[in-house]
Formats: sequence, structure tokens, C-alpha cells
Amino acid sequence: AQSVTQLGSHVSVSEGALVLLRCNYSSSVPPYLFWYVQYPNQGLQLLLKYTSAATLVKGINGFEAEFKKSETSFHLTKPSAHMSDAAEYFCAVGSQGAQKLVFGQGTRLTINP
Amino acid sequence: DAGVTQSPTHLIKTRGQQVTLRCSPKSGHDTVSWYQQALGQGPQFIFQYYEEEERQRGNFPDRFSGHQFPNYSSELNVNALLLGDSALYLCASSQGYSNQPQHFGDGTRLSIL
Repeated sequence: AQSVTQLGSHVSVSEGALVLLRCNYSSSVPPYLFWYVQYPNQGLQLLLKYTSAATLVKGINGFEAEFKKSETSFHLTKPSAHMSDAAEYFCAVGSQGAQKLVFGQGTRLTINP
Repeated sequence: DAGVTQSPTHLIKTRGQQVTLRCSPKSGHDTVSWYQQALGQGPQFIFQYYEEEERQRGNFPDRFSGHQFPNYSSELNVNALLLGDSALYLCASSQGYSNQPQHFGDGTRLSIL
């Protein structure tokens, strides 16, 4: 069975500071990994995806994530936080051929001015 | 290019009633998945439809059923509603039965009184 653990239900950073949101996964097969963002009263928007082509994945809005197989991690980073980044972030894992996504519990990102 | 659209946006029902939620996939997409997102939680996979058939199902009781139409749109039906069914129901669409990224609608907020 696949699972995702997001460390830290709430992360707070200052505007302009580094954003680091942590995600660890468990999968018995090579995983497909995704980061989604959810703004209040909205659905989920895809930030980026890992599908084994490259370990460092660049996404939208300046976010990127690095796949580390030895650590079973897929942490999300952004060098400089912007106020508009305040939202809920979800890490998800899927397996090849199966479109069922398993999501983590989410991390709420707050940006302090 | 219209994205995933869901209707209605909000719905209030009482225990024991039945509800139908609707989803139109993004243009060019033929696979529809449904997720339940309880307050403060990550989305949980309900089931997925492709070629008008249920292809995968999550750990949800038979009270949850669905349908996909020839135009790829989909319905989620829930019978004998329980208080615990109160949640945001998200529809996601993707292209082909593969691990192409899923695009989410803004969801239907279902409240059970």
C-alpha cells in the first residue's frame, strides 16, 4: 500500500524567506509523486510532478521539488516566499498504471509580512 | 479552455437523504476520478471512471456510486446520507487511463444536517 506523510501541519515563514515543505512517501513500486496547492474555497492546482525523468523537478510559481529515493522524500521548496503563496499544500503519490492518488494530510503555509 | 466544472457548488441535505453531484471534465480528458475531502484532511479517493466503467475504487461503502456518460461527464451518487458524509467532494479529470496529471474542479461542499 502507498502512503504519504507530510511533516508539519502548519509552516510559517517571513516574506522573502525560504519555503521548505516536507513530504515522505511509502511505495512498493516506483512512485509517481505530485505536489498540489489549494487556496481557500477552491480545488487543487497542480504545482509539479515527478515521473522518473529527472530527480529535480521545477514547477509553477517558482516551486521545485527533489526526489530522493534513499530518503523516500519529495520535499517542496521555493527560494523566496511571496504573500500569494499562503495556501494549503498537498503531497500525493500514485503508481504506474494506476491513477488513484494517495494524499498526505496537507501543510498550511502562512507568510508573515 | 474550460477546466473541470462541478455542480452544485454547495448543497445541504439531511440524514437519510440521497444526493447527486455532477462533474464535467476538462476538454480533451476522458477519465474522471472522485475524491472526498473532510475538513482539515487530505482528499480521499472514492472511485475512478474510464470508458463509462468504474476502474478503481477506494475504501468507501456501496452507498457511494457513480456513473460516466458517453460525453465523459460523471455523476457521484450517495444514498442514505450520514453526518460523516459532510465534506468537500472533488472531481478530477485526466487524459487516458494512465498517470497523466489530474486536474481538479473547485468541488461541491456537501453539508448534512
